[in-house]
Amino acid sequence: AQSVTQLGSHVSVSEGALVLLRCNYSSSVPPYLFWYVQYPNQGLQLLLKYTTGATLVKGINGFEAEFKKSETSFHLTKPSAHMSDAAEYFCAVSYGYNQGGKLIFGQGTELSVKP
Amino acid sequence: GAGVSQTPSNKVTEKGKYVELRCDPISGHTALYWYRQSLGQGPEFLIYFQGTGAADDSGLPNDRFFAVRPEGSVSTLKIQRTERGDSAVYLCASSSTGGPLYEQYFGPGTRLTVT
Repeated sequence: AQSVTQLGSHVSVSEGALVLLRCNYSSSVPPYLFWYVQYPNQGLQLLLKYTTGATLVKGINGFEAEFKKSETSFHLTKPSAHMSDAAEYFCAVSYGYNQGGKLIFGQGTELSVKP
Repeated sequence: GAGVSQTPSNKVTEKGKYVELRCDPISGHTALYWYRQSLGQGPEFLIYFQGTGAADDSGLPNDRFFAVRPEGSVSTLKIQRTERGDSAVYLCASSSTGGPLYEQYFGPGTRLTVT
């Protein structure tokens, strides 16, 4: 079965420190890959996505992620955390048009940023 | 412009009752998705509409769950004989058309509590 694993349900960093949120997927077929962010009492918002082409993708708010096929990973990074980055982050995959674009999500990682 | 809206924002119902949850997608979006997010979990796919038809209902957990989109815009998720295990946040998303290349825009969700 297709699945997404996010290592660490809770990550805490200091303001200004590197943010690294891990995501691995299980599939023999490279999927389309997404990171979503969910702020308290708000809907999910797309941070970035990988479809084809360049494996390093840049998103909003200074986040980026790298698709590594050999490691079946799509880790999310940001060089310097800001207090406003505190939120829940979800990695998701989609397997193409024959599945209509439905998303399979990981369990989420809650990011805390300490002053 | 207006985003995806969902009503009600909160719904408390007794076990065994029938509930309807409404989703208003972004105007002009032909694809509409329903997801369910249980506490501490990532969203789980329920059903995908392309226009008026349910193109993929593989995520509906059982026949107590049903969804419609009669005019290709507003959608209603219907749950019969609710159970305590149905308690979750129900998310709706829309995109300009179906497929993984098109961003899904999420609503704020309806929090359903079955007592």
